[in-house]
Amino acid sequence: NAGVTQTPKFRVLKTGQSMTLLCAQDMNHEYMYWYRQDPGMGLRLIHYSVGEGTTAKGEVPDGYNVSRLKKQNFLLGLESAAPSQTSVYFCASMGQAYYYEQYFGPGTRLTVT
Amino acid sequence: GEDVEQSLFLSVREGDSSVINCTYTDSSSTYLYWYKQEPGAGLQLLTYIFSNMDMKQDQRLTVLLNKKDKHLSLRIADTQTGDSAIYFCADRGGGATNKLIFGTGTLLAVQP
Repeated sequence: NAGVTQTPKFRVLKTGQSMTLLCAQDMNHEYMYWYRQDPGMGLRLIHYSVGEGTTAKGEVPDGYNVSRLKKQNFLLGLESAAPSQTSVYFCASMGQAYYYEQYFGPGTRLTVT
Repeated sequence: GEDVEQSLFLSVREGDSSVINCTYTDSSSTYLYWYKQEPGAGLQLLTYIFSNMDMKQDQRLTVLLNKKDKHLSLRIADTQTGDSAIYFCADRGGGATNKLIFGTGTLLAVQP
């Protein structure tokens, strides 16, 4: 049981390049989330999904797209990377525990030059 | 929108108690959480409290909730160097989307 995994762990992009971050969970969770973490700003929600085939915007969705074609995977895409997207990205998933615990992946550190 | 605020830094000596504070604005908050983030890692749930509780104790951890003042605190007794980490307060409001609002995180530095 690997929990929540993220690939890649690190990436450097040039401005204007595109990439996809993959999040996978093996806990059969319905809910999945993408956050970004920036110094002094905590975690901010980018997009989330309440089930397979669904996606919704979070607090800071601009410049990102997501897809949830399979229940276990949640993809975050950057179509045209900008330096402002330099951040650490975390994926999380949540099942049916009554206290709504979110399980986090180890993070992807992205630098856009 | 709703907001969660924390102080950015706390330094304590090993063996002392640590108290990390958090304030939130959401009147419909149902659960409040403390997550811990160790260097280079993701967040892990440390403890949580339901909004109709005032206090919750779990070994060295004590969570106090003042719902009237919208104030949450985490007390760590007998703080150890292994407790050095960033601690995030998070608020789950009402609604079916189960979104969390996170604070900025408090860096706890434990001096030997």
